[in-house]
Amino acid sequence: ETGVTQTPRHLVMGMTNKKSLKCEQHLGHNAMYWYKQSAKKPLELMFVYSLEERVENNSVPSRFSPECPNSSHLFLHLHTLQPEDSALYLCASSQDAVTRSTDTQYFGPGTRLTVL
Amino acid sequence: AQKVTQAQTEISVVEKEDVTLDCVYETRDTTYYLFWYKQPPSGELVFLIRRNSFDEQNEISGRYSWNFQKSTSSFNFTITASQVVDSAVYFCALSEHYSSNTGKLIFGQGTTLQVKP
Repeated sequence: ETGVTQTPRHLVMGMTNKKSLKCEQHLGHNAMYWYKQSAKKPLELMFVYSLEERVENNSVPSRFSPECPNSSHLFLHLHTLQPEDSALYLCASSQDAVTRSTDTQYFGPGTRLTVL
Repeated sequence: AQKVTQAQTEISVVEKEDVTLDCVYETRDTTYYLFWYKQPPSGELVFLIRRNSFDEQNEISGRYSWNFQKSTSSFNFTITASQVVDSAVYFCALSEHYSSNTGKLIFGQGTTLQVKP
């Protein structure tokens, strides 16, 4: 595998379900990001991790819970979501989010989430 | 405040036509970076170019070229001799180089380009 991978690619869940999105980067980067892309809206940054430490939480509701066990893996745990949370969730990685904050971010293919 | 505006929501051209996608940005920072990404129907954002605020030279890569003009705060993207495979949503983005920035990319709304055969 190369680049940034995300699983699953599609997910349908009910409002009472608990599910997790997974992201893995094979680029040797130290920073990972979660973005939300809703229809007709710009991409919204949700979370930033640098060396497994969360450095940015962009006022995201607590029903979204990120986890970064190491610099190659990033999870987004979902519980009691709302229909308006339906969106494309994109993961990205870059060399570093703190000392090299303007480095290029490389994105995965995204998980298309539908909340019923 | 920082902002990126892509005024063209949708553009439709016929194959082999040239097309320019506009991007206008706002920032108070003197050091910043501008990016273009392509998002095909598969969903993945594909990195195209990164340009810093001190380098105003235009860049050409194959059929792609970029025109950066600080005087008008614009970073426009031109595709020459467009092809059907160029059909995608294109995003312009801004990253500011201040000490507390933790990788925040500010995206424009995107321009949907449709290239018809």
